[in-house]
Amino acid sequence: RKEVEQDPGPFNVPEGATVAFNCTYSNSASQSFFWYRQDCRKEPKLLMSVYSSGNEDGRFTAQLNRASQYISLLIRDSKLSDSATYLCVVTSRGGTYKYIFGTGTRLKVLA
Amino acid sequence: GAGVSQSPSNKVTEKGKDVELRCDPISGHTALYWYRQSLGQGLEFLIYFQGNSAPDKSGLPSDRFSAERTGGSVSTLTIQRTQQEDSAVYLCASSLETVVQFFGPGTRLTVL
Repeated sequence: RKEVEQDPGPFNVPEGATVAFNCTYSNSASQSFFWYRQDCRKEPKLLMSVYSSGNEDGRFTAQLNRASQYISLLIRDSKLSDSATYLCVVTSRGGTYKYIFGTGTRLKVLA
Repeated sequence: GAGVSQSPSNKVTEKGKDVELRCDPISGHTALYWYRQSLGQGLEFLIYFQGNSAPDKSGLPSDRFSAERTGGSVSTLTIQRTQQEDSAVYLCASSLETVVQFFGPGTRLTVL
């Protein structure tokens, strides 16, 4: 079983739709959680950190459920420019802040 | 401000040759990381440098891979006797004391 699992998609949604992605992680000692966005043939870029209380940044909302060991990302009012691969990232304990990546969920927003 | 830079952006080499990949982290960032992204695969941790501490090399796939960081800044990832399975995008990231990592554009390595 992979440490971080995501549905690879693709999720094809029309503009203006709301879409949600989930990500599960296996290490209950994981400390920090992020969503990164990766455009085709580009580097990953931080979309948002994920906090226990949940957090929102404009059209994006992230949630963390430690008991069930999953994080989620909700995108409201999807734009064409949201088309990308969304990477779930978890860090492990041990002082090294090693990123463990999911394989990513591909989103296509259609006109 | 300047982000993480990597060179070369693309590298094509023949099987058995050695290659060196370079990373310039964001100025002032104390931590530096190397990852590998193979076609259809997720990002895989390779090595981590933090200040003057011993690096965490736990992700290096074989002893053909090595990395160094000189003067707490620039890092070089060296792959000796390259194999076709080494073909991937090699990404470098850096961070301050906080956890958030910023990635460079990567080096696309193709081993023929």
